[in-house]
Amino acid sequence: EAQVTQNPRYLITVTGKKLTVTCSQNMNHEYMSWYRQDPGLGLRQIYYSMNVEVTDKGDVPEGYKVSRKEKRNFPLILESPSPNQTSLYFCASTSGAAGGDTQYFGPGTRLTVL
Amino acid sequence: AQSVTQLDSHVSVSEGTPVLLRCNYSSSYSPSLFWYVQHPNKGLQLLLKYTSAATLVKGINGFEAEFKKSETSFHLTKPSAHMSDAAEYFCVVSEWTGNQFYFGTGTSLTVIP
Repeated sequence: EAQVTQNPRYLITVTGKKLTVTCSQNMNHEYMSWYRQDPGLGLRQIYYSMNVEVTDKGDVPEGYKVSRKEKRNFPLILESPSPNQTSLYFCASTSGAAGGDTQYFGPGTRLTVL
Repeated sequence: AQSVTQLDSHVSVSEGTPVLLRCNYSSSYSPSLFWYVQHPNKGLQLLLKYTSAATLVKGINGFEAEFKKSETSFHLTKPSAHMSDAAEYFCVVSEWTGNQFYFGTGTSLTVIP
């Protein structure tokens, strides 16, 4: 089954404790992306990757890191989480460039930073 | 620069009546436009997309949207609302050759029995 998986689905942590949210897709998609969803703000793009070793900032990259060492994986790293990073995070992938292609979304990771 | 404005943050309709969710976009180039739906505590699912083919786009579950370049709009409609349509709906724009997607702030649809 074609899918995007994220782990963990729920995470409660404390300020400053480094964490990684994993994202994996089994569709051989080139383009992957991370979003955060906050009430009243919709989804905002954090980082995206056009292919292996190619990443770029989205609209809200501060406080986040990503890497793309393999085509299928695109982890999101919070080196020193802060309470304002409490949010619902989605990973997505699409087969080509952003324009025109359908994004497939993971189930989401709900992060709480205390 | 690209942006999306969803004109209503909340819409309530009675079951069996038409649904209209409004979306206006701004794009410097030929846009691709999408509508996604998010049911409570679920991920996002594609309803339909416009990619410079037919301006009237049909999607899943009876939804459709019309691309109107002169009005820079991409409103989502359904002739008859069903209880299962209650969800959050997002309008999304991307340039055809672009690398980023831009989401609207969402419209919450309530269906009253």
